[in-house]
Amino acid sequence: EDKVVQSPLSLVVHEGDTVTLNCSYEVTNFRSLLWYKQEKKAPTFLFMLTSSGIEKKSGRLSSILDKKELFSILNITATQTGDSAVYLCAVANSKLTFGKGITLSVRP
Amino acid sequence: SQTIHQWPATLVQPVGSPLSLECTVEGTSNPNLYWYRQAAGRGLQLLFYSVGIGQISSEVPQNLSASRPQDRQFILSSKKLLLSDSGFYLCAWSVGFLAGEAEQFFGPGTRLTVL
Repeated sequence: EDKVVQSPLSLVVHEGDTVTLNCSYEVTNFRSLLWYKQEKKAPTFLFMLTSSGIEKKSGRLSSILDKKELFSILNITATQTGDSAVYLCAVANSKLTFGKGITLSVRP
Repeated sequence: SQTIHQWPATLVQPVGSPLSLECTVEGTSNPNLYWYRQAAGRGLQLLFYSVGIGQISSEVPQNLSASRPQDRQFILSSKKLLLSDSGFYLCAWSVGFLAGEAEQFFGPGTRLTVL
């Protein structure tokens, strides 16, 4: 059975802090790993990773994939209150398998 | 640009009543369509996906069903709701034949409460 585990389940930081969110997986026929941000309703797409060691960046967010160790991290630098959300990791083969998400709260 | 719509946004239904949730996509042709359920503390669970009109794959045995009567319309139904059907239902679409070929884009969701 395909499995995606995210950690920590939740964390609280102060504005300006840097956070690292973890995602490990066990899936057959891996194709890609995706990160989503879910604030109130629909998850919004952040990154899609298919190759090991190639960092993807978007502003203060960056992510990297390790296909040998079967994990990915999502980094957020200089956090802002608007970064407060649930961050979802999903792994794709013929379908997406999601982790339970990480709840990030950024305090002013 | 592509947009995805879901309705209703919120629904409260008694146990044993029927259900119909609708999802439509605009601005793209022949999308892959997906229904997910998000229950508290459990993450997103894939319920159904469709790669074309009339083609439905079920991921989890349950009392729900899905149909795709038109290219950009996806419907989630139940004849008799259970308490355990409560949750946040999300529709999503993607291009490509397999889920891993492209990102999935999610609709605004329907919050279903079964009492």
